[in-house]
Amino acid sequence: AQKITQTQPGMFVQEKEAVTLDCTYDTSDPSYGLFWYKQPSSGEMIFLIYQGSYDQQNATEGRYSLNFQKARKSANLVISASQLGDSAMYFCAMREGRRSNFGNEKLTFGTGTRLTIIP
Amino acid sequence: NAGVTQTPKFRILKIGQSMTLQCAQDMNHNYMYWYRQDPGMGLKLIYYSVGAGITDKGEVPNGYNVSRSTTEDFPLRLELAAPSQTSVYFCASSYRLAPQETQYFGPGTRLLVL
Repeated sequence: AQKITQTQPGMFVQEKEAVTLDCTYDTSDPSYGLFWYKQPSSGEMIFLIYQGSYDQQNATEGRYSLNFQKARKSANLVISASQLGDSAMYFCAMREGRRSNFGNEKLTFGTGTRLTIIP
Repeated sequence: NAGVTQTPKFRILKIGQSMTLQCAQDMNHNYMYWYRQDPGMGLKLIYYSVGAGITDKGEVPNGYNVSRSTTEDFPLRLELAAPSQTSVYFCASSYRLAPQETQYFGPGTRLLVL
């Protein structure tokens, strides 16, 4: 089974509008972390935002917020007031495992969503 | 700080050739990782290391080898290149074993095997 599912291969959004990128995950581990990365056309992976499974509040970082619905196992990224520079691939990723577990360091990535901002 | 650096940026190999992808970080991170990204896909973990002298396999280790003789460097070795290894390779590092610790990525190496 897919651990991270991103169901939107591509999205087109008008500049200045808000956009929501979907991510659902699958894990039986009570301790996990969820990440969003941005990959512009230049290829590098840029960390955007993190949400821990025990965090009580949704994470926010500037124009980025994470809509974390634990019971539904979803961790959608919300970008407010989109800009042309937001055009990129966006990846949702998960790290499972407790803090003390050796080797539980790998990130499992989804297949990504290509976001295109239209002027 | 330069962060995570990777060389080369791009390389073309013939089937059966060997090469080493270099990765270095100057953030004194203990943990380092190699991922590959196939076209239109997310990243998959090849190998990782939790410190100098300690490495372990990730999800897709076949056809690759790694070593970690220093904290800073984590080279990835392809011994007999195959077309299936055509991909973009990312090296990443993180400081400590903590759920919220993010990984910092290098710019990637684009490899084409013909």
